[in-house]
Amino acid sequence: AQKITQTQPGMFVQEKEAVTLDCTYDTSDPSYGLFWYKQPSSGEMIFLIYQGSYDQQNATEGRYSLNFQKARKSANLVISASQLGDSAMYFCAMREGLGTGGFKTIFGAGTRLFVKA
Amino acid sequence: NAGVTQTPKFQVLKTGQSMTLQCAQDMNHEYMSWYRQDPGMGLRLIHYSVGAGITDQGEVPNGYNVSRSTTEDFPLRLLSAAPSQTSVYFCATTDRDRENNEQFFGPGTRLTVL
Repeated sequence: AQKITQTQPGMFVQEKEAVTLDCTYDTSDPSYGLFWYKQPSSGEMIFLIYQGSYDQQNATEGRYSLNFQKARKSANLVISASQLGDSAMYFCAMREGLGTGGFKTIFGAGTRLFVKA
Repeated sequence: NAGVTQTPKFQVLKTGQSMTLQCAQDMNHEYMSWYRQDPGMGLRLIHYSVGAGITDQGEVPNGYNVSRSTTEDFPLRLLSAAPSQTSVYFCATTDRDRENNEQFFGPGTRLTVL
């Protein structure tokens, strides 16, 4: 069964420093996708980054990178040069069955990030 | 384009009442989902659909019904509301062929059941 675990309920980081948000997953499907979404206090869900299970390189999107360690089943989000606007809730998510048109996507419990000035 | 719209934005119900949360998208996406968000529990999948006429259960389907008669609309029905269904509900869509598999979320409906 699918499972996503985010073990850090809250994290603090100093402005301009890098921070890593942890995510581990469990699946027996060889074809899956991993996602990170940001939810600011306004409530909307913002897509940040995606990593496919067969992608050879770690995904990067601007200041966001996904540290994908397949053998350890981890998909940590790294935010470089943190900004005050990065203060938000961050969710890791996984979708199985990409090769067969699977769509069911589950989310972790989230990590709340606080960026200090 | 409006993207993904949800109505109403806020709703208060009494225990036992029924209601339908509306979700509509104008992006011609095949895939649509309903999630509920509760403090400390992230987003939990209620039901999802891979196309018109096809729906399936997610992690927490009890107490909810869905149907998908058109590509655009995916309503979520609460048959007999309970206080445990107090939550924020999000609808999301994506395209089968989208390279990064990004889901697009609606603004959410905040539901309180008294």
